[in-house]
Amino acid sequence: EDKVVQSPLSLVVHEGDTVTLNCSYEVTNFRSLLWYKQEKKAPTFLFMLTSSGIEKKSGRLSSILDKKELFSILNITATQTGDSAVYLCAVPTLGRKLVFGQGTRLTINP
Amino acid sequence: DTAVSQTPKYLVTQMGNDKSIKCEQNLGHDTMYWYKQDSKKFLKIMFSYNNKELIINETVPNRFSPKSPDKAHLNLHINSLELGDSAVYFCASSQAGLTSDTQYFGPGTRLTVL
Repeated sequence: EDKVVQSPLSLVVHEGDTVTLNCSYEVTNFRSLLWYKQEKKAPTFLFMLTSSGIEKKSGRLSSILDKKELFSILNITATQTGDSAVYLCAVPTLGRKLVFGQGTRLTINP
Repeated sequence: DTAVSQTPKYLVTQMGNDKSIKCEQNLGHDTMYWYKQDSKKFLKIMFSYNNKELIINETVPNRFSPKSPDKAHLNLHINSLELGDSAVYFCASSQAGLTSDTQYFGPGTRLTVL
């Protein structure tokens, strides 16, 4: 069965800290891995990763994929209170349905 | 100019009632999805339609019936609502092609069954 596991489930840090969120997966016919940020409403798309070892970057957020070890990490540097959210990792499977991890709830304290 | 929109945003109803949630996307995408997010924030696929044709139907009770009148709309009708149906329901869409795995989500409909 296709599976996505995220860790930690919850993380509380101070503003300015750097955080690393983890996502491991087991899926047949892997194509890509996606990261989403969910605040109060809809998950909003952050990154799609398809190639191993190539970092995707957007401002203070960056992500990398390791297809050999079947995991991805999402880094956030110089965290701000606006980064507080649930971060979701997902992998598409047959029929393009997304299988999601449980999410990491990140809280940034001022 | 919302990309994926859902109505209503909130729905409170009694057990046993029938209700519908509507979804529209103006991104020109060819595939639309319904997901259910439970109280622990776990998102799970329910259905997927591609060009008005059902392509994914997960293990969802028959009381849930999706309908796609055209490729920009995917509605969800729920019969005989139960307490366990309380959740947030998200609609999403994507487009076939190199970035077809990227799905864009609507704002969600919070359904509360009393």
